[in-house]
Amino acid sequence: TQLLEQSPQFLSIQEGENLTVYCNSSSVFSSLQWYRQEPGEGPVLLVTVVTGGEVKKLKRLTFQFGDARKDSSLHITAAQPGDTGLYLCAGAWGYQKVTFGIGTKLQVIP
Amino acid sequence: DTGVSQDPRHKITKRGQNVTFRCDPISEHNRLYWYRQTLGQGPEFLTYFQNEAQLEKSRLLSDRFSAERPKGSFSTLEIQRTEQGDSAMYLCASSLAGGAGQYFGPGTRLTVT
Repeated sequence: TQLLEQSPQFLSIQEGENLTVYCNSSSVFSSLQWYRQEPGEGPVLLVTVVTGGEVKKLKRLTFQFGDARKDSSLHITAAQPGDTGLYLCAGAWGYQKVTFGIGTKLQVIP
Repeated sequence: DTGVSQDPRHKITKRGQNVTFRCDPISEHNRLYWYRQTLGQGPEFLTYFQNEAQLEKSRLLSDRFSAERPKGSFSTLEIQRTEQGDSAMYLCASSLAGGAGQYFGPGTRLTVT
């Protein structure tokens, strides 16, 4: 059973476009994390959100945690080729065992 | 470099052989996690340690898998009698107890032929 659903699974856009990817679950999380992973490497932590309704910004990336702490979104403004990668969301409960979604594979075409 | 390191980065082995991977976490992190990731999937939790104590093991971790963290610092993951289905990227991560977010190493890519 996949506890975290990510959509879309694949996204190919032109440089300069905006995009949003989503992470949804029926479970309530104590925190939710977003990671970016490049081929052959480990995931790199981008942000952790813990409070329902929380919005965090990291340069051109905006992360939002749903009010009920069951879902999250990642919005990228003016995407760059360097944003290409696999974006993973991960939900954590209590002591921080996390469950990962399947990821959104983003390709930004120059 | 004070990040999480893993060794080796790549391992090719024949079916039936034993393999051992090592993970060195960020030095002040007391939690250490092992994950397995196959192509097209997110990382799947295998096991986690707080200091030297192994606190949880996934059902994915069959009897052929064993992990240790003898002194609460580095950890090893051993797979005995490897099978082709064990081929995957094995990821290690560390964190502070109560901290937000895990820090991953580069992974060990295992190929069982």
